[in-house]
Amino acid sequence: AQRVTQPEKLLSVFKGAPVELKCNYSYSGSPELFWYVQYSRQRLQLLLRHISRESIKGFTADLNKGETSFHLKKPFAQEEDSAMYYCALDSGGSNYKLTFGKGTLLTVNP
Amino acid sequence: NAGVTQTPKFQVLKTGQSMTLQCAQDMNHEYMSWYRQDPGMGLRLIHYSVGAGITDQGEVPNGYNVSRSTTEDFPLRLLSAAPSQTSVYFCASSYSGSGGGTGELFFGEGSRLTVL
Repeated sequence: AQRVTQPEKLLSVFKGAPVELKCNYSYSGSPELFWYVQYSRQRLQLLLRHISRESIKGFTADLNKGETSFHLKKPFAQEEDSAMYYCALDSGGSNYKLTFGKGTLLTVNP
Repeated sequence: NAGVTQTPKFQVLKTGQSMTLQCAQDMNHEYMSWYRQDPGMGLRLIHYSVGAGITDQGEVPNGYNVSRSTTEDFPLRLLSAAPSQTSVYFCASSYSGSGGGTGELFFGEGSRLTVL
């Protein structure tokens, strides 16, 4: 069974500090990993996906298959980054079940 | 383009009542799904559909029913509401990845349901 673990429920940093939101997964095949974000009073939306290898809003995430991790990083946090972040795993193929972690609430203090 | 539209946004039910949460998308997406979001539990998949006439169960399907008669609509029915079904419900859709899988999900605004 596939599983996504986000070990931190809450993460608080100061503006300008680096931030790292951790995500570990359990899956024996080659998954696709995503980060979704939910800003206050907005819809859940895709932040980035590992296959695109893009940097969105200054965030990056690298898939580490050896450590089965997909941590989200940003070198300098901004107050507008405060939101709930979800890591998600898609095993692909005919298994159309995107599995989400429990989420990390990031607060960036001024 | 309205994207994914859910109704109602808020609903209060009594135990044992039934209701339907509506979901519609105008992006011609084949894949549609329902999640529930509970504090400390993240999002859990209830049911999903990969096209009209095709539905399947997710992680927490008990107490819920779905059907997909058109590409656009994917209603979620609560057959006999229970307090444990108090939650925020999200509908999501996607093109469905070319190599299989869900691809990027587009979410509705959510429906907050309280069962007394």
